Amino acid sequence: DAGVTQSPTHLIKTRGQHVTLRCSPISGHKSVSWYQQVLGQGPQFIFQYYEKEERGRGNFPDRFSARQFPNYSSELNVNALLLGDSALYLCASSLLAAHYEQYFGPGTRLTVT
Amino acid sequence: DAKTTQPNSMESNEEEPVHLPCNHSTISGTDYIHWYRQLPSQGPEYVIHGLTSNVNNRMASLAIAEDRKSSTLILHRATLRDAAVYYCILRNQGGSEKLVFGKGTKLTVNP
Repeated sequence: DAGVTQSPTHLIKTRGQHVTLRCSPISGHKSVSWYQQVLGQGPQFIFQYYEKEERGRGNFPDRFSARQFPNYSSELNVNALLLGDSALYLCASSLLAAHYEQYFGPGTRLTVT
Repeated sequence: DAKTTQPNSMESNEEEPVHLPCNHSTISGTDYIHWYRQLPSQGPEYVIHGLTSNVNNRMASLAIAEDRKSSTLILHRATLRDAAVYYCILRNQGGSEKLVFGKGTKLTVNP
């Protein structure tokens, strides 16, 4: 069974640019969450989507946005990139909106120069 | 968000048991205790969770104090593959999906 997949694996962008990160959840999972992990820290919650609706948002600026598609895949968009946006972006999926177990993908490593 | 406190790092020898502590003195009655771990260059993975009683699964055991203000994740026989950062997380029953990660405990396993 395929796990959570994310693309791209690595990405290098310049300050001021925008970026789109993609996530495909495990088949049958309707909930997708996004996390940002800065080096040396634990992941920080950005968004949760369930059945294509935003269910939760972390303490991130409006430059961060996301959406979920009818097939439950998801995109995370970040506009006007800052150096501080350099991080590992993780996607997690689960069966239900608040299931006990979340399954994480390997992440997308974003470097902003 | 309810907070947890874990040691920054711990060390163990291969094939020995490991006890990873977590303090959560402000836990509420409906908070579940979850443990995730993150192996190098991977996303976090679920390990175990519990509410009041001790729990066992194929990966580990979770021992919860009677007052629920602390818990211990037990790896019965550490292997090199268990070297990871272990996160103790509180999640409210019926609450949102989000996981609030701290810095976790970095476990080093020596051969």
